[in-house]
Amino acid sequence: GAVVSQHPSWVICKSGTSVKIECRSLDFQATTMFWYRQFPKQSLMLMATSNEGSKATYEQGVEKDKFLINHASLTLSTLTVTSAHPEDSSFYICSALGTVLNEKLFFGSGTQLSVL
Amino acid sequence: RKEVEQDPGPFNVPEGATVAFNCTYSNSASQSFFWYRQDCRKEPKLLMSVYSSGNEDGRFTAQLNRASQYISLLIRDSKLSDSATYLCVVNKQNFVFGPGTRLSVLP
Repeated sequence: GAVVSQHPSWVICKSGTSVKIECRSLDFQATTMFWYRQFPKQSLMLMATSNEGSKATYEQGVEKDKFLINHASLTLSTLTVTSAHPEDSSFYICSALGTVLNEKLFFGSGTQLSVL
Repeated sequence: RKEVEQDPGPFNVPEGATVAFNCTYSNSASQSFFWYRQDCRKEPKLLMSVYSSGNEDGRFTAQLNRASQYISLLIRDSKLSDSATYLCVVNKQNFVFGPGTRLSVLP
């Protein structure tokens, strides 16, 4: 089956630093990737949709200058949390939509971010 | 009204029980429907797509009623390993996740 690789799995950082999370589709081309955030015991919340070669579309309430998304190739999207603060601590998950994979979403394994 | 709503749960059932999950969606133009399962602090994994004619995969049966904008998932002969959160997902232009229903299968 399709594989999406996300790393790092776990990040602990100091407040004010920036953290980059990578999401790669390993065996298919992903024209669209999605970034989600999930707080404990809550559902997945879509943060943004990124299409290869164009600017990401952010959901209402998500700061685009804080959560920088780059989707420079068909197999790689990155999310950078700039100047992270403790309230940004969360589980971040990416997913990819393949061009020929019947609309199914494939998820990365997630990144647990803890900001001290 | 939320775009996708599910039973609030949690469901605590004994091994071997049959359990049903319900989901409703608000956008009548939604095109495709899925059930995912998510274990704690893991990524969601596709359980099955949901088709208008209904579909079955082993112990799992999914139903879709477009007129009522309702989706269901039935798990028969539940196993301990079925314990997870079950997410209803509806796709129009974006994939919208329901809040999930937590299932605990007890020995």
